[in-house]
Amino acid sequence: AQSVTQLGSHVSVSEGALVLLRCNYSSSVPPYLFWYVQYPNQGLQLLLKYTSAATLVKGINGFEAEFKKSETSFHLTKPSAHMSDAAEYFCAGGTSYGKLTFGQGTILTVHP
Amino acid sequence: DAGVIQSPRHEVTEMGQEVTLRCKPISGHNSLFWYRQTMMRGLELLIYFNNNVPIDDSGMPEDRFSAKMPNASFSTLKIQPSEPRDSAVYFCASSLPTGGNTEAFFGQGTRLTVV
Repeated sequence: AQSVTQLGSHVSVSEGALVLLRCNYSSSVPPYLFWYVQYPNQGLQLLLKYTSAATLVKGINGFEAEFKKSETSFHLTKPSAHMSDAAEYFCAGGTSYGKLTFGQGTILTVHP
Repeated sequence: DAGVIQSPRHEVTEMGQEVTLRCKPISGHNSLFWYRQTMMRGLELLIYFNNNVPIDDSGMPEDRFSAKMPNASFSTLKIQPSEPRDSAVYFCASSLPTGGNTEAFFGQGTRLTVV
């Protein structure tokens, strides 16, 4: 089964700074990978998903993730953080029918 | 589409009482999942259904938990009797498998507090 590990339970950045949230996955095939975001008291919203069509995946709100097979990584980045990006982010491994195994989550704090 | 709809949004109940959480998946989706979120254990899958049939309930913590999906548009998760350690946020999600990387759509969750 696909499993993922998120490095860092908390990440703090200044507004306008680069956001980097780390995720490594187990090397099972195929790598069905996702990033979800959870705002306070809300459900989970899909940011982006890896489709194998491209190693660099663009998502909503300016986020993107790069799939690196050699490093078994799928890190999430955003060039310039905004206050509204403060939330908890989850990397997940999935299946062809939608079953997800989540990482531990990373809480992103954005300082003015 | 209204998305995945869960009810109630909040539930406070006394230990020993029966609790029923409800979920309406997105129309046309044929896979449904129940997840539980706690500080200690994060997000964990409890059970999932495909075409209304329970496929994997290995995540259900114990016999006090049961889930049903009587039709394609409705599912319930029941806890009887409830215990304080069941306090968590319970999410329902649905998906429509397309043979590739299928995303799941989540409801807003039910925050359960057992006192």
